[in-house]
Amino acid sequence: KAGVTQTPRYLIKTRGQQVTLSCSPISGHRSVSWYQQTPGQGLQFLFEYFSETQRNKGNFPGRFSGRQFSNSRSEMNVSTLELGDSALYLCASSSTDRGDAKNIQYFGAGTRLSVL
Amino acid sequence: ELKVEQNPLFLSMQEGKNYTIYCNYSTTSDRLYWYRQDPGKSLESLFVLLSNGAVKQEGRLMASLDTKARLSTLHITAAVHDLSATYFCAVEGAATSGTYKYIFGTGTRLKVLA
Repeated sequence: KAGVTQTPRYLIKTRGQQVTLSCSPISGHRSVSWYQQTPGQGLQFLFEYFSETQRNKGNFPGRFSGRQFSNSRSEMNVSTLELGDSALYLCASSSTDRGDAKNIQYFGAGTRLSVL
Repeated sequence: ELKVEQNPLFLSMQEGKNYTIYCNYSTTSDRLYWYRQDPGKSLESLFVLLSNGAVKQEGRLMASLDTKARLSTLHITAAVHDLSATYFCAVEGAATSGTYKYIFGTGTRLKVLA
């Protein structure tokens, strides 16, 4: 069974540009969450999508957006990039609604974004 | 606002020794997670704790949850070098508008010395 796949693995952009990151969840998983990891701020929750709907959202500016497609694949977009957006972006998928007692998240390898 | 504090931040221990990592959180939560992250790698889910008094064990790691004290512990028994990694706890708590959000602790960087 394939794991969570994130593309691309590495990305270099310049300030002001926009970027789109992709996440393919484990087959059958309907929930996809996105996280930002930086040395200074640690791991921060961006948002969660379930069945194409954004269900939860962290405290990030509107420049950070996402969507989920009918096949559960998700994309995250960051517009007007800033230097501080340089981070490891992690995607995680889980199988069901949060009502599930387990709701274990499986993480992808991440996309490392560098903003110059 | 939900806050999660983890301590210690760094832990260097000898093989064969026992130690505990602590995770305190500030508001009511009904789910607590523990993750492991190896250098340069992604996160691996270790435990999900759902209720007061929950205890889960996997190998040399045991996690427990006390919702009244808002405290979770990750206990390491007879540490081995392979356990060297960074360990995160994460709490799921209510945000506004009936939604939920996940807050991670700062992480504990564990180094097991031979």
